[in-house]
Amino acid sequence: EAQVTQNPRYLITVTGKKLTVTCSQNMNHEYMSWYRQDPGLGLRQIYYSMNVEVTDKGDVPEGYKVSRKEKRNFPLILESPSPNQTSLYFCASSLGGYEKLFFGSGTQLSVL
Amino acid sequence: LAKTTQPISMDSYEGQEVNITCSHNNIATNDYITWYQQFPSQGPRFIIQGYKTKVTNEVASLFIPADRKSSTLSLPRVSLSDTAVYYCLVVPMSGYNKLIFGAGTRLAVHP
Repeated sequence: EAQVTQNPRYLITVTGKKLTVTCSQNMNHEYMSWYRQDPGLGLRQIYYSMNVEVTDKGDVPEGYKVSRKEKRNFPLILESPSPNQTSLYFCASSLGGYEKLFFGSGTQLSVL
Repeated sequence: LAKTTQPISMDSYEGQEVNITCSHNNIATNDYITWYQQFPSQGPRFIIQGYKTKVTNEVASLFIPADRKSSTLSLPRVSLSDTAVYYCLVVPMSGYNKLIFGAGTRLAVHP
């Protein structure tokens, strides 16, 4: 089944403890991206990647890192999480061009 | 990137047709208009995409006037399960890079 898989689904952590949220797609998509969603603010793009080893900042990249070493994986790294990064995170992928985005199920992160 | 403007919320009743309009005054010649649907705690799901005139699929229709400065998503005979947030996006033909989803339109369908 074609899908975007995010893990974990829920994560509670403490300020400053490094964490990684994984994202994997099985559709051989070139484009992948990360979003955060906060109440009333819709989805805001954090980072995106056009292909392996090609990444760029979205609207809210501060405090996040990404890497794209393989086509299928696009992990989101929070080196030193802070409470203002408590949010619902989504990963998405696309064939590229203007083809539709496929989203993962989301990761609810709480930073205490 | 073309900015989009949508109503924050709409209400409807089961069986009615719902039209959600999105304004995108700065749309470029090579931009596509795409709509997504999102249920609570789920990732958005693609609904429909178009460039001009009218596009229809099994779920919705998309109407785009000649000047392309706005578009209207039409949901025929909505049901309670259509209660969701709907996002309008302008996507360049050259491909995704930065994307702006905005806050979307929160549609509530009542019995």
